[in-house]
Amino acid sequence: TQLLEQSPQFLSIQEGENLTVYCNSSSVFSSLQWYRQEPGEGPVLLVTVVTGGEVKKLKRLTFQFGDARKDSSLHITAAQPGDTGLYLCAGERRSGAGSYQLTFGKGTKLSVIP
Amino acid sequence: GAVVSQHPSRVICKSGTSVKIECRSLDFQATTMFWYRQFPKQSLMLMATSNEGSKATYEQGVEKDKFLINHASLTLSTLTVTSAHPEDSSFYICSALRTVNTEAFFGQGTRLTVV
Repeated sequence: TQLLEQSPQFLSIQEGENLTVYCNSSSVFSSLQWYRQEPGEGPVLLVTVVTGGEVKKLKRLTFQFGDARKDSSLHITAAQPGDTGLYLCAGERRSGAGSYQLTFGKGTKLSVIP
Repeated sequence: GAVVSQHPSRVICKSGTSVKIECRSLDFQATTMFWYRQFPKQSLMLMATSNEGSKATYEQGVEKDKFLINHASLTLSTLTVTSAHPEDSSFYICSALRTVNTEAFFGQGTRLTVV
């Protein structure tokens, strides 16, 4: 099992502040995905990064995949109370035999205080 | 985006009974589906990988006789928690793998409470 270390585990910030969530591993992934999960619901995919060094932006969210495809970060600019939720990173690995494996980080519980 | 429907969303059952949870891919075929368990304030833990037409692959520590998985069609996988106990109470989530671009889509989750 490839470990995916996600930090911080909990984050409470004031509205308008910036924040960064990190996802690190010693393993190389085919891609890395970021999800957001609301209480009592399933995770919703935010973005998939595939290429080493890739940067994707989704409004105030910026996702980056490390050059070696072992780590990723999520940066939120000017956080809003609506950004509150559990953010999960997940590393995807595929084998030559066609198997697919998605390994989740432990998640970051973000609270944005108005 | 693709839709995965999980049913029921909430279920309360008595200790010793069995509960079946369904996971359906509504607009694509999924040869592979995954079942996760999530404890409060924790991440998703993979329980098993469900393959259409063959036996499921269970993760270490997951009892296959307790968590029965059936993937009889390309759009439906079921997880049956047999002889449920209070410690089985948890949030169970499925995901279906769309083979076109190898992307997984998640169901809404099922909150199981065993009393």
